[in-house]
Amino acid sequence: GESVGLHLPTLSVQEGDNSIINCAYSNSASDYFIWYKQESGKGPQFIIDIRSNMDKRQGQRVTVLLNKTVKHLSLQIAATQPGDSAVYFCAENKAGNQFYFGTGTSLTVIP
Amino acid sequence: EAGVTQFPSHSVIEKGQTVTLRCDPISGHDNLYWYRRVMGKEIKFLLHFVKESKQDESGMPNNRFLAERTGGTYSTLKVQPAELEDSGVYFCASSHWGRGGQETQYFGPGTRLLVL
Repeated sequence: GESVGLHLPTLSVQEGDNSIINCAYSNSASDYFIWYKQESGKGPQFIIDIRSNMDKRQGQRVTVLLNKTVKHLSLQIAATQPGDSAVYFCAENKAGNQFYFGTGTSLTVIP
Repeated sequence: EAGVTQFPSHSVIEKGQTVTLRCDPISGHDNLYWYRRVMGKEIKFLLHFVKESKQDESGMPNNRFLAERTGGTYSTLKVQPAELEDSGVYFCASSHWGRGGQETQYFGPGTRLLVL
């Protein structure tokens, strides 16, 4: 089956710096992608999504970039704050099918 | 509006015992999903209900797992008999119906299952 992976399992950044979390996906037919944030003791929480007809989407302090040529997805967090410390998951989907999640990247923000 | 709730939050059982996990979705959400995350690995899809019907159960590991959603409201996931490899965090998520399964899914806090 398809797999979604992350380049780095852990990432540490200084408070105030920008963070970039990467994700590789394998199904070129996937047309919808989501980033989730999971804090300790909680379930994954939706952050931002992007459809395959776009290559960039911005939210509040977050930007998702999609490169379909190399099947790569990234999440950029601007001015990272201690509250951003969490595990981040990417997920891919093809309409009518299940979501496939990555293994997660643990982001630690150093005050 | 209450979010997705799951019970219990933690469960420790011995191999061979039975455990039943419960999920209460957000009121009005027709879609209900079960996922599992084994330590350090990806979140894996188990199955998808639309109301009380199983839309996709391709992710269920084996016949020791039984999911139900009687009446199309809450759902239960029973593991019988439990094996060591069943340990992990079981997440439930729910969403409105529409957009071919690409609706925003709201996750519950998960049930942490440990089989000894």
